Order: sequence, then structure tokens, then C-alpha cells
Amino acid sequence: EAQVTQNPRYLITVTGKKLTVTCSQNMNHEYMSWYRQDPGLGLRQIYYSMNVEVTDKGDVPEGYKVSRKEKRNFPLILESPSPNQTSLYFCASQGVGQPQHFGDGTRLSIL
Amino acid sequence: DQQVKQNSPSLSVQEGRISILNCDYTNSMFDYFLWYKKYPAEGPTFLISISSIKDKNEDGRFTVFLNKSAKHLSLHIVPSQPGDSAVYFCAASGTSGTYKYIFGTGTRLKVLA
Repeated sequence: EAQVTQNPRYLITVTGKKLTVTCSQNMNHEYMSWYRQDPGLGLRQIYYSMNVEVTDKGDVPEGYKVSRKEKRNFPLILESPSPNQTSLYFCASQGVGQPQHFGDGTRLSIL
Repeated sequence: DQQVKQNSPSLSVQEGRISILNCDYTNSMFDYFLWYKKYPAEGPTFLISISSIKDKNEDGRFTVFLNKSAKHLSLHIVPSQPGDSAVYFCAASGTSGTYKYIFGTGTRLKVLA
């Protein structure tokens, strides 16, 4: 079954404690992306990757890092999380000429 | 500056009637548009798309219309069904197949049985 898998699904943590949200896809897609969803703001793109070792900033990259060492994985790293990064996060993958497939989301609460 | 706007946060429609969801954009470089549907506790799922070379695309009960001069697109659902109740996002990108997307804020559709 074609899937984009995010872990964890829920996380409550504290300011400044580094965390990583993993994203894995089994469709051999070249493109992967991270979004955050906030009330009244819709989905905003954080970072995207066009292939292994190729990443670029989206609209709201501040405070986030990503890496793409393997085609299937695209982790989102918060080196020093702050309360304004409390949000619902979605990972997506996309093959050439295809629409994006989204994971089911990770709800992060940073106290 | 919100480049893609969905000005109606919510919409209620009777089952069997038409649902019309609207989306406006400001960037004339956008040439590929998509609609996604999102249920609670799930990720968005792709619904339908349209390229700027077309003004209409149809898939079953779903039709997307694009008015480039007005920088406006709309999603029509006919007939609406209770299972269509969800949040709908429109999205735009600069080139078909590109990887940078701008999403609207979403419209919550409720179809009443």
C-alpha cells in the first residue's frame, strides 16, 4: 500500500529540547516536503526536497532543519523548539507529474 | 501576504444540492492549481487539478473552473453527499510539476442530510 508515514503522531515537549519528526515514503518518489497547518493560516510549506541531497526553503523555514540522505526518508529537525512551533505538521511526497501524497500528520505541542 | 485566499471559512449545503467552493490568487505566475480534501485526523488527499491552459476540468461529481483574468478558481461538487463534509484546500504552483506550493486557508464544507 502506498504510504507516507510520519512519527510520532503526537508529541508534547519543552522549549529547547531538540526533536526530530521522521517521514518515510514507500513510493520511490523524488520529491518530499514538510508543511505546518495553523488555524486561519492553512498549510504553509517549511522545506522541500527535489531528490537526495537536494533541499530548499519553503515559506516558513525559520527554526527548522531537514536532511535527505536517502530517497525514502525526509526528517524534520527542530534544534531548539519554541512555543510558536506548536502546530500540526504534514509530510508529503510526490512523483514526477503526480499530485502530492500526504502523511496523517504530527501534532506537536511545545511548552 | 496571502497569495492564495479562500474567503469563506465554512459552507453548509443540503445533500443533493451543488456545493461551490471558491479560491482567489494574486500571483499571475501561478499556472497549476489543485484542490485537496481533508478529513479530521488525516492528511489532505488530492481531489482534482487544473492547468492554466484549461478553464475547466471535470472528474465525476467534481469540476474545477479557472478564470485566469479574474485570478479565480472554483470547485463544484454535484450532487453533494454527506461524505463530502471535510475541509477543502486550494493550492497553486508556478509550473506544472514544480515543487513549491502555496495553499489557501481552507473552507470547511458541511453537507446536511
